[in-house]
Amino acid sequence: DIQMTQSPSSVSASIGDRVTITCRASQGIGNLLAWYQQKPGKAPKLLIFAASSLQSGVPSRFSGSGSGTGFTLTISSLQPEDFATYYCQQADSLPRTFGGGTKVEMK
Amino acid sequence: QVQLQESGPGLVKPSETLSLTCTVSGGSLSSSYWSWIRQPPGKGLEWIGYIYYSGSTTYNPSLKSRVTISIDTSKNQFSLKLSSVTAADTAVYYCARGGSGSYYSVPGSWFDPWGQGTLVTVSS
Repeated sequence: DIQMTQSPSSVSASIGDRVTITCRASQGIGNLLAWYQQKPGKAPKLLIFAASSLQSGVPSRFSGSGSGTGFTLTISSLQPEDFATYYCQQADSLPRTFGGGTKVEMK
Repeated sequence: QVQLQESGPGLVKPSETLSLTCTVSGGSLSSSYWSWIRQPPGKGLEWIGYIYYSGSTTYNPSLKSRVTISIDTSKNQFSLKLSSVTAADTAVYYCARGGSGSYYSVPGSWFDPWGQGTLVTVSS
């Protein structure tokens, strides 16, 4: 299985901050990576697919980059509704696997 | 737009079989993959497996011996059965569209949308 490692596990930030989350794959996955946002008690929501493609309806302050084994999710200017947990997911091989999550908390 | 809704018992006894159904509305099951994903309380996400509308399935090897996913296109539903459950199977279970297919369109190999999730507790 491909192991997905996210860092940090949590980050404290303020409204308007730039936030960057990293996801590392245990082997190269090209650009076959997605990012999801999950709020407490809710299902995950797709933000980014194919490493950098913004899902329809997702604000442009979210962006993704990277390829191979290293990927980043960036929130350019943190908004109140962005406090949540973020997960990466690889689609290079089966079984599909997710990172352990990064919780974005209010400073 | 497509919406998914999980249903089934919230409490299952150890060694018994967990059974859940996902009802799809606002679209058909055709030409898509349909997945089950679970999340133990306070933990991360684990993909269980998917089924194509034709009925072909792929399962996570970690659960393969206990999992069966089936589909009923006439009812616009797909289902999960997980046998011989233990407390370790306590989780929120989500159904979602996707898991395989195109890498450059959604859903394809990505999961979207998801159902709201249903908590299944394994306890006597």
